[in-house]
Amino acid sequence: DQQVKQNSPSLSVQEGRISILNCDYTNSMFDYFLWYKKYPAEGPTFLISISSIKDKNEDGRFTVFLNKSAKHLSLHIVPSQPGDSAVYFCAAGNTGNQFYFGTGTSLTVIP
Amino acid sequence: DAMVIQNPRYQVTQFGKPVTLSCSQTLNHNVMYWYQQKSSQAPKLLFHYYDKDFNNEADTPDNFQSRRPNTSFCFLDIRSPGLGDAAMYLCATSRDRPSYEQYFGPGTRLTVT
Repeated sequence: DQQVKQNSPSLSVQEGRISILNCDYTNSMFDYFLWYKKYPAEGPTFLISISSIKDKNEDGRFTVFLNKSAKHLSLHIVPSQPGDSAVYFCAAGNTGNQFYFGTGTSLTVIP
Repeated sequence: DAMVIQNPRYQVTQFGKPVTLSCSQTLNHNVMYWYQQKSSQAPKLLFHYYDKDFNNEADTPDNFQSRRPNTSFCFLDIRSPGLGDAAMYLCATSRDRPSYEQYFGPGTRLTVT
């Protein structure tokens, strides 16, 4: 059973607009959440994280929102740039245990 | 630059012929992980080493083994590859457990003929 789900395999956004990538998880005990970004022919790289005690974390153009009651998190990229085109993986887990990854969302930012 | 290196990037093996994938890191991290990622699927953790302590995931097939001879290197051995083992294999490291932030290598694409 997939514990972390990214239901949108792909997303296209115009440059300068907001990109919103979504992620759902099933385990209410998860207490830490991460987003990774992956370019072709490279491994995933850590982008931003949030712990369950927060509902928002911001780092420059990237903001992650956590809705614990809905078991949902989202990554907002504002403004979107062509260099943001990549596959974005959501991951969730518990302190001290493994993290589960979603299947990824391929973002294309159109110039 | 400190990094995680995987060799080879592409590996072709025959059905049933043992194959070894390698991973090295210059980050001096305590933890090294192996993930399997099949097409359009999420990366799946196979096992990890916390220093010399090996931690196998419950659903990792016995066909998959790992060795960590020193801090820098970790190997994934597939004893008898089947067609279903064709996948991207990702190595990752983290400074310590829990693995809040992992550093990934570029992966090895394994093809089984």
